[in-house]
Amino acid sequence: GQQLNQSPQSMFIQEGEDVSMNCTSSSIFNTWLWYKQDPGEGPVLLIALYKAGELTSNGRLTAQFGITRKDSFLNISASIPSDVGIYFCAGYNFNKFYFGSGTKLNVKP
Amino acid sequence: GAGVSQSPSNKVTEKGKDVELRCDPISGHTALYWYRQSLGQGLEFLIYFQGNSAPDKSGLPSDRFSAERTGGSVSTLTIQRTQQEDSAVYLCASTGGGANTGELFFGEGSRLTVL
Repeated sequence: GQQLNQSPQSMFIQEGEDVSMNCTSSSIFNTWLWYKQDPGEGPVLLIALYKAGELTSNGRLTAQFGITRKDSFLNISASIPSDVGIYFCAGYNFNKFYFGSGTKLNVKP
Repeated sequence: GAGVSQSPSNKVTEKGKDVELRCDPISGHTALYWYRQSLGQGLEFLIYFQGNSAPDKSGLPSDRFSAERTGGSVSTLTIQRTQQEDSAVYLCASTGGGANTGELFFGEGSRLTVL
């Protein structure tokens, strides 16, 4: 099946720093999605990307749909303690969603 | 409803018992997905419904697992003769058609513990 490689697996950063994580795939996708999951809760959709090259922002979050349609990245600027959680990327094709293994973000105040 | 609703939020059962997990998707959403998430792990696809049909049930781990959807709305995931390795969070998600087809919205999950 289609595999997504998400990196890094975990990050420890200082409050105020910028963060970058990415996902790559051997297959192309029509849609890229980024989710955040807090402990004990379901994943929450942060950003959806629909076109190759698209750059979309949501507050301090910025995500891009790679030109090749095989990758995407998520940036978080000026991190704050509530950014702590697990971030998942997902690719969508033909009624099926494929998820990365997640990036666990830790923010030190 | 406003979001995807799942029940129960927590279920503790004894090995060998059957359990039913319920999902109420966002109103009007035609597609519904079930995933399983073990502690600290990613999302494992189980089954996908389009309307009441399940075009892809390839992720169901064994014949002890089954799911149905009625009225194009509520779905039930049933696990028979539960085993300890079934312990996980079971997540349901739904998506609408048209321009928003690629946006998947999750419920809070049902945490299953098999003793």
